[in-house]
Amino acid sequence: QVQLQESGPGLVKPSETLSLTCTVSGASISSYYWSWIRQPPGKGLEWIGYIYFRGTTYYNPSLTSRVTVSLDTSKNQFSLKLNSVTAADTAVYYCARFAPGGGYFDYWGQGTLVTVSS
Amino acid sequence: DIQMTQSPSSLSASVGDRVTITCRASQSISSYLNWYQQKPGKAPNLLIYAASSLQSGVPSRFSGSGSGTDFTLTISSLQPEDFATYYCQQSYSTPRTFGQGTKLEI
Repeated sequence: QVQLQESGPGLVKPSETLSLTCTVSGASISSYYWSWIRQPPGKGLEWIGYIYFRGTTYYNPSLTSRVTVSLDTSKNQFSLKLNSVTAADTAVYYCARFAPGGGYFDYWGQGTLVTVSS
Repeated sequence: DIQMTQSPSSLSASVGDRVTITCRASQSISSYLNWYQQKPGKAPNLLIYAASSLQSGVPSRFSGSGSGTDFTLTISSLQPEDFATYYCQQSYSTPRTFGQGTKLEI
């Protein structure tokens, strides 16, 4: 059974860098695409980006200047870095597996709330 | 970007009701449309992919239809566990975009 688990600080100061890691079990990260999606409190879902095991990345144009997604195949993990954060980046951040054939997100982590505040 | 618009934004219904939620794309996306259910404090769960294919393990009371720009999610007979928020998502192009959600309430 595929499981994903996000980890990282729950509080980040404005202008600093948000860093999260997703640990994958039950599947090799050297397959599929691996994605980050976020959801501001009480709002809808926003796709951030994804990475393929060869290191190819695709980002939402609205965030591309601030976001980096990377893989660590030795740990079966992938990571998100979002720099120059503001209060607008406060959200629950989900990691998810993306199935490119169908274009859907079929396995999700439980999500982690990141608050941007001084 | 392809904009996804759901209607209604919220819906009140009762157990046993038949419910339909609509999703409209700002341009044709063929059948590249997926539906998710999200319960409070939980991650979204994939229900329907490719507009009408039921994800494994999802009850058959859920169904999807449509192509082009107009899509529907139907729940044939509402169960207590179906009260949640539902999102559509287009898989036609990047950036992947979601509808704003439809909250299904008692």
